[in-house]
Amino acid sequence: QTVVTQEPSFSVSPGGTVTLTCALSSGSVSTRHYPSWFRQTPGQPPRTVIYSTNTRSSGVPDRFSGSILGNKAALTITGAQADDESEYYCVLYMDMDSGSWLFGGGTKLTVL
Amino acid sequence: QVQLQESGPGLLKPSETLSLTCSVSGYSISNGFYWAWIRQPPGKGLQWIGSMYYNGRTSYNPSLRSRVTISVDRTKNQLSLKLSSVTVADTAVYFCARVAASASTSWGQGTLVTVAS
Repeated sequence: QTVVTQEPSFSVSPGGTVTLTCALSSGSVSTRHYPSWFRQTPGQPPRTVIYSTNTRSSGVPDRFSGSILGNKAALTITGAQADDESEYYCVLYMDMDSGSWLFGGGTKLTVL
Repeated sequence: QVQLQESGPGLLKPSETLSLTCSVSGYSISNGFYWAWIRQPPGKGLQWIGSMYYNGRTSYNPSLRSRVTISVDRTKNQLSLKLSSVTVADTAVYFCARVAASASTSWGQGTLVTVAS
């Protein structure tokens, strides 16, 4: 059974840079998985941050960027702000013909 | 701008069938995109339940496939989810979403479904 793995938690100082990653238990993540990243705060629905590997969703600040680093998808926040504290989820398309998705377990990002 | 709103019973008993509706406004389901159901148990992460392509083709999470049906009412522009034989493990917030590989995902607000005897 294929699993998508994210760091359970991460901490960054205000103004610092942090990179969250998204890995597949079998094989490498590539652009063909069209990685998306969502952020979610308690009691709220997820919001799209990045889609199709590196495209920022409307209204997302340019301090957020997406990429493929080695064999993983990555979300980098440059110049982190307190407001960036959130749970971040990645999701990968596992089969474009069927549209099947596989979520990572999420990363709790703390800014302090 | 597309808007999605989930609705349905908030409390079920074990073995009952969960039935939810996602009302879509600002975009016709028949015009494109995948339309998905995702759930989130309390305090846990997101789980993809299944998707329907705009042409009606469906795909389901293998772990739920035997119990899930996703359908669409094009006259009402609504997406539906049925999950049979629910247990307490199906307690979650259920989200509907408009999805595409090369577009931003749009989410509904979610609706909490609790399964308890």
